[in-house]
Amino acid sequence: DTEVTQTPKHLVMGMTNKKSLKCEQHMGHRAMYWYKQKAKKPPELMFVYSYEKLSINESVPSRFSPECPNSSLLNLHLHALQPEDSALYLCASSQETGYTYEQYFGPGTRLTVT
Amino acid sequence: AQTVTQSQPEMSVQEAETVTLSCTYDTSESNYYLFWYKQPPSRQMILVIRQEAYKQQNATENRFSVNFQKAAKSFSLKISDSQLGDTAMYFCAFMKHYNTGNQFYFGTGTSLTVIP
Repeated sequence: DTEVTQTPKHLVMGMTNKKSLKCEQHMGHRAMYWYKQKAKKPPELMFVYSYEKLSINESVPSRFSPECPNSSLLNLHLHALQPEDSALYLCASSQETGYTYEQYFGPGTRLTVT
Repeated sequence: AQTVTQSQPEMSVQEAETVTLSCTYDTSESNYYLFWYKQPPSRQMILVIRQEAYKQQNATENRFSVNFQKAAKSFSLKISDSQLGDTAMYFCAFMKHYNTGNQFYFGTGTSLTVIP
């Protein structure tokens, strides 16, 4: 199973709402990532979790709050977002040890902030 | 920090022809990994091919192959016998493994259109 799943596929939220994005993988990967992607642009790294601990935070505003409850699950909690936060949010996972480190991406959550 | 440069924002190729996408990177590291990812319109990002820097042999996956020139810090992707399904954004990526985790750096992408 080389699948990373993300829910929901689409999300529309107002600037005062609180919502969460969910990501799940069952490949035994111990590194998980959140990216933000605008149209026709490369993914921008937001957060990296390594062995369920936050290892990289790319100076993301506090209105984005990541959580890694266990090795298979990654959440991104959203609160008081701005219209410019509208984007495709991608989750990915990869191995931490071994000989291959490629990332496996989920299909993304298309977020619209109104 | 590492930088990855894709100098061709857009390219097109006739179906069944061959096309080469360029990628250069800047790093002082000696051990790292390079990848090409494909993202079709409104679809999932998927891995096309990987190359370990310590391997001299160029990676090949069916119609996809790379020309890895470590000294020149170049990592181009060749697509042979182009198919309509190859139409996508292609991202070159550099990865370095650290004890604190893996760090990926993406190029700006090349939008490839395969013309029937």
